[in-house]
Amino acid sequence: NAGVMQNPRHLVRRRGQEARLRCSPMKGHSHVYWYRQLPEEGLKFMVYLQKENIIDESGMPKERFSAEFPKEGPSILRIQQVVRGDSAAYFCASSPSSLGLTEAFFGQGTRLTVV
Amino acid sequence: KNQVEQSPQSLIILEGKNCTLQCNYTVSPFSNLRWYKQDTGRGPVSLTIMTFSENTKSNGRYTATLDADTKQSSLHITASQLSDSASYICVVSARGNQFYFGTGTSLTVIP
Repeated sequence: NAGVMQNPRHLVRRRGQEARLRCSPMKGHSHVYWYRQLPEEGLKFMVYLQKENIIDESGMPKERFSAEFPKEGPSILRIQQVVRGDSAAYFCASSPSSLGLTEAFFGQGTRLTVV
Repeated sequence: KNQVEQSPQSLIILEGKNCTLQCNYTVSPFSNLRWYKQDTGRGPVSLTIMTFSENTKSNGRYTATLDADTKQSSLHITASQLSDSASYICVVSARGNQFYFGTGTSLTVIP
C-alpha cells in the first residue's frame, strides 16, 4: 500500500504561468487535505475535499487557486497566473474518513518555485 | 482566535541527552492533539495523537503529555539520536475537521 503520492516533487514556473499539483491519496482514502508551507513558517490549511466535493475551502485564496478531487484520478491543486509569493511547499494529506481520531497521512510535498 | 504556539523555536542538544518541547493552544472546541515529526524536505509523520481524556502517550523514545485544562502539551524525547534532528510540529484539531498547526520546533542533535 503506497503512501500519499504527490507529483511533481519540484516545480518551477515563471510568473503568470499555471501550476498544477497532483495528489494521489492512499488506497481506500476518500478525504484529501491540502496545506501550504511558506519558508520558515508552519503549515497552513487550504482546502478539504472528499470525492467530487469541496467540503471546506476556507484557507484557500479566493482568486487564482482552485482544487478538485474527481471520482477517478488524483486530487489537483491548480494555481493560475502564479506570482513569486506562491513559492512554497504544498503538502497533501489523506484519511479514510472524516478526521476525528482517524490518522491523516501526508505526502512528501511539492516545492513550487516561481521565477 | 484559534492558535497553536510552540517553544522553543529551535533547540540544539547533544546526542544521548533528553529534551522537552512545548505546545500551547487556544483551539476550541478541542478534538485532539497530534505531534508530527517533519524531516527536512519531507512530509510530516505522525508521532502521537491524544484526545481530551488522555494525559500521556508514549511512542518509543517519544512521550507526549496533554493538560486540557491549561491547554498545554509537551513532547519529551529521551536518549536523543542524530536521526531525531527534525522539526516537531504540534497540531490541534477542532471538531469539524479543521487542523491548526504550530510553526514547529527545529531540533538539532549533535554528536
